[in-house]
This record gives sequence, C-alpha cells and structure tokens, in this order.
Amino acid sequence: QVDLQESGPGLVKPSETLSLSCTVSGGSITSSYWSWIRQAPGKGLEWIGYIYYTRSATYNPSLRGRVTLSIDTSKNQVSLILTSVTAADTAVYYCTRLNDFWTGDHWGQGTLVTVSS
Amino acid sequence: DIQMTQSPSSLSASVGDRVTITCRASQTVHNYLSWFQQKPGRAPELLIYNIYTLQSGVPSRFSGSGTGTDFILTISSLQPEDFATYYCQQSYSTPYTFGQGTNLETK
Repeated sequence: QVDLQESGPGLVKPSETLSLSCTVSGGSITSSYWSWIRQAPGKGLEWIGYIYYTRSATYNPSLRGRVTLSIDTSKNQVSLILTSVTAADTAVYYCTRLNDFWTGDHWGQGTLVTVSS
Repeated sequence: DIQMTQSPSSLSASVGDRVTITCRASQTVHNYLSWFQQKPGRAPELLIYNIYTLQSGVPSRFSGSGTGTDFILTISSLQPEDFATYYCQQSYSTPYTFGQGTNLETK
C-alpha cells in the first residue's frame, strides 16, 4: 500500500519561498507520475502540476512560473517549491500519485501552509 | 482551460435516498473524468475514474456515467458515511481542473 506524507513549514512570510516535501513509502517513486494539489481554506481544489522522475514537470499556468517540482529518487521524495508567496497561497497542499488516467489514486493527508507576516 | 461545472452546489438528502450529482465540462474530456469524495479535515478520496470505473474498495452503491461533456455521479442508496463534499475532475487536458464541489448534507 502506497503511503504519502507531506512535510514542511506551516508558516511562510509574504514574498518568501514555500518548500514542501512528499515522502513516498510502500512503492517506488520511479514507477508513477506524482502531482501536487492545493485547497485554500473553505475553497475547492486546484491542480498545481505533475512530474515523472525522468521527465520535466508540467505546471498550472495560473502559478505564472513561480512553481518548481522535483524528485529525489535516493530519498523517495517529491518536492514543491513556490516562490514569491502571498496570502492567496495559503492552503492545504496535497501530494498525490497519478494512475493511468492521470488522476490521483493515492493522496497524502495534506499539510497546511499559512502565508503571513 | 477546461471549465468543470457541478450541480447542484449543495444537496440535502436522507439515508436511503438515491442521489445524483452532475458535472459538465466546457469541452470534451473524453473518458478522463473522475469523482472524489472529501470529508471535513480529510484529503479527497478517489471514488471513480474513467467515467465509470470504481476505485478499489469503493462501495458498489456509487456509480458513474456520461460521455464527452456531461457526467453523472449516482449514489443508489445513501448511507450515513456518504455525507460529504463531492468533486469531479478532468484529467484530459492540462491544467487539470475540478468542479466547484457539491456539498451533500443530511436533510
């Protein structure tokens, strides 16, 4: 059973950089695509992007070049970096594994990131 | 971007009711349509993908149907644990997009 666990700081200051990691256990990170999705408090779901370990990532254009996904196979981790954050980036961030239909069949429990000074 | 529109936005129902939630895409998403269930404070869980394929472990009272741009999630006999928010998602074209959600409440 694949398990995903997000981690990272819960508070980030405006204009700074948000960095999160997702540790994958129970499966190889090289066998699937991985994505990040976020959910602002009380709001719906927003797709951030996806990545495969041998290919470049695909991102949501709405994030205007502020986002970078990467994979560290030695740690079985997927990472997300979001630069120049504002209060609008306050959200629960989820890591997911994509199935053959490009949808998340396994999700982490999510981590809340608050952008505030 | 493909816009996904769910209706209704909220729905009141009772245990045992048959419930349907619709999802309309602004252009065809072929068969790349999924449904998720989310309970408060929890991550979404995949119920159905490929329009009608039940994710492993999901009860058979959940079913999906539709084609192209119009899709339906049906719960044949509502159970107490089904009160939650439901989202559709297209994964045909990036950026992948979700419907706004349907909040299923107890009547």
